[in-house]
Amino acid sequence: DAGITQSPRHKVTETGTPVTLRCHQTENHRYMYWYRQDPGHGLRLIHYSYGVKDTDKGEVSDGYSVSRSKTEDFLLTLESATSSQTSVYFCAARQSGNEKLFFGSGTQLSVL
Amino acid sequence: DQQVKQNSPSLSVQEGRISILNCDYTNSMFDYFLWYKKYPAEGPTFLISISSIKDKNEDGRFTVFLNKSAKHLSLHIVPSQPGDSAVYFCAASLTGTASKLTFGTGTRLQVTL
Repeated sequence: DAGITQSPRHKVTETGTPVTLRCHQTENHRYMYWYRQDPGHGLRLIHYSYGVKDTDKGEVSDGYSVSRSKTEDFLLTLESATSSQTSVYFCAARQSGNEKLFFGSGTQLSVL
Repeated sequence: DQQVKQNSPSLSVQEGRISILNCDYTNSMFDYFLWYKKYPAEGPTFLISISSIKDKNEDGRFTVFLNKSAKHLSLHIVPSQPGDSAVYFCAASLTGTASKLTFGTGTRLQVTL
């Protein structure tokens, strides 16, 4: 158990609505990441955080924002969901000096 | 531009035989490589890794080989077992303060009886 919990596990929403996905970790990992998984694309980095209030963009950050107000929580927000954001979203975390990422179980998001 | 590529979307191997999964990368600055295994409806789990200063790393039935000159790594599973059936992702990293993993597109391995 990597101590990473994602919520919700499944969500269906409508185009244009805001959506927030939550990632909670209990291992005091410094670094946290949001990836999306799509067929033919593997896992692509959306945003990541290297500390409280310190975040940066990944390769597919358009349409997403993140916040990290506490070490244990990393939120991913879709300000106005689009059908292209239908995907499986994974949160991951790691310790300093260790390249190994630990992943949550994922959130299946469907935007209709 | 896909910096990490897994050109075989799927692979089928008989139980007991060797499974070889391949991965190519384009960025010669990558210095750490990892393999992850993913079952349906679960998050990826770490399998094995290798630093660029090595060319081989073993862990039980799993061995990762790195050929830096060819920018190629491979994962060997011997012997393959039905429980190994999953999607395998290779990933590469530029180690550093805020390093990030770049993942390949994955190879679905099916181990048949």
